[in-house]
Amino acid sequence: ETGVTQSPTHLIKTRGQQVTLRCSSQSGHNTVSWYQQALGQGPQFIFQYYREEENGRGNFPPRFSGLQFPNYSSELNVNALELDDSALYLCASSLAWQGVGYGYTFGSGTRLTVV
Amino acid sequence: AQTVTQSQPEMSVQEAETVTLSCTYDTSESDYYLFWYKQPPSRQMILVIRQEAYKQQNATENRFSVNFQKAAKSFSLKISDSQLGDAAMYFCAYRRNDMRFGAGTRLTVKP
Repeated sequence: ETGVTQSPTHLIKTRGQQVTLRCSSQSGHNTVSWYQQALGQGPQFIFQYYREEENGRGNFPPRFSGLQFPNYSSELNVNALELDDSALYLCASSLAWQGVGYGYTFGSGTRLTVV
Repeated sequence: AQTVTQSQPEMSVQEAETVTLSCTYDTSESDYYLFWYKQPPSRQMILVIRQEAYKQQNATENRFSVNFQKAAKSFSLKISDSQLGDAAMYFCAYRRNDMRFGAGTRLTVKP
C-alpha cells in the first residue's frame, strides 16, 4: 500500500509567478485535500476534491485553484504568488464520507518559498 | 463554521511522566470525528488517535488516551510514560466533511 507522495519537496519562486504542486493519493483513496501550513502554525484548509469536483473550500482567494484527475491524483495551482504564500503545502487523501472516521493520510509536503 | 482551539502553544514533560494536551472545538453538528495528529520535524502528519463523537467511551491507543467531553466540546490527549520520541507538534482536528486543525502544541520531552 503506497502512501501519499508530493512533488517537489522544495520550491523557490518569485513574487508574481505561478506555481503547480502535485500530489499522488494513497491507493484506494478518492478524496484529496490541500492545506497551507505557515511556519509555527496549524494547517489551514484550502480545498477538497472528490471525484474530480471541488466539494469544500476554505478561506482562500480564487488564485488558489486545483484539479483532481481520474486516478485521484491532484494538483494545486497558485497564481500571482505573494510573499505570504510562503509555507508548507500539505496534501492529504482519504475516503469520502463513508470512511471519514478513518482520518487522512498525509504527504510530507512541499515547502514553497516566495522571494 | 467549525473552529478548533489549542490553548497551550508549548508543553514540556519529563521522560516517563504523563502530560495532557488540551483542545476545544465549536460545532453545531452532533455527528463528527475528532483526531490528534503528531507532526515531527520530518513534517509528515501522523495519526495518533481518533474519536467518534457518537461514542461515549474514550479512545485509547497504547500510551495515548483521550478525555472526550461532548457537551463541553473538549477533547484532550493524555500521553503516559512519555518517551523522547514523543517530542513533536501535536494538532487536534475536527472532521465532519473536511478536516479542520487547531494551531498546535509543541511538546518537549526532557530526559
